Amino acid sequence: DTAVSQTPKYLVTQMGNDKSIKCEQNLGHDTMYWYKQDSKKFLKIMFSYNNKELIINETVPNRFSPKSPDKAHLNLHINSLELGDSAVYFCASSPPAAGAQETQYFGPGTRLLVL
Amino acid sequence: AQSVTQPDIHITVSEGASLELRCNYSYGATPYLFWYVQSPGQGLQLLLKYFSGDTLVQGIKGFEAEFKRSQSSFNLRKPSVHWSDAAEYFCAVAPLLGGATNKLIFGTGTLLAVQP
Repeated sequence: DTAVSQTPKYLVTQMGNDKSIKCEQNLGHDTMYWYKQDSKKFLKIMFSYNNKELIINETVPNRFSPKSPDKAHLNLHINSLELGDSAVYFCASSPPAAGAQETQYFGPGTRLLVL
Repeated sequence: AQSVTQPDIHITVSEGASLELRCNYSYGATPYLFWYVQSPGQGLQLLLKYFSGDTLVQGIKGFEAEFKRSQSSFNLRKPSVHWSDAAEYFCAVAPLLGGATNKLIFGTGTLLAVQP
């Protein structure tokens, strides 16, 4: 019973390509997130959605476009991939509308390598 | 701007020894504070969190952390480390942004190695 799942687990692609990463949670949570972990293990939030509505966009390039078809899914599409996009991307979710004290539950990560 | 500092990039302890991982935060008020652990190739798992009340909080796997407002610190401790504790540990704060706005600001992590 995976709580937060991501596909694919690994993604190797060429510069300039367009790729998508999918995230699903079966916890009944309202809020979902994307975080990026760079090669130095630094984690930074990219986006958050609450009930399919964009709440946070942390000055991420326009090439990154999140899409939330429903509360249980938050996908990340990346256009024109660049070398600097190589990282581990984590999806997370948290319980309904309770705010900052709520635990965020993380997926296993998607390791993206751009060649 | 809010920030989290983990001064120790890498720590090595012997199995059975005690452990303390340091975390300092910078924020205008008391934020919500978290410790997460990341095992190699895995996602992040919550160890414990603090947002009010008793400043000593207990977590999973025998970990505890103490919030010290005067020092803006939230250090993680364990009295006796097991080999399976080898992992990357992240301290994080969640600033009080209101409503459904919620994000975690992470420190740079401390990599824990455990010697037999």
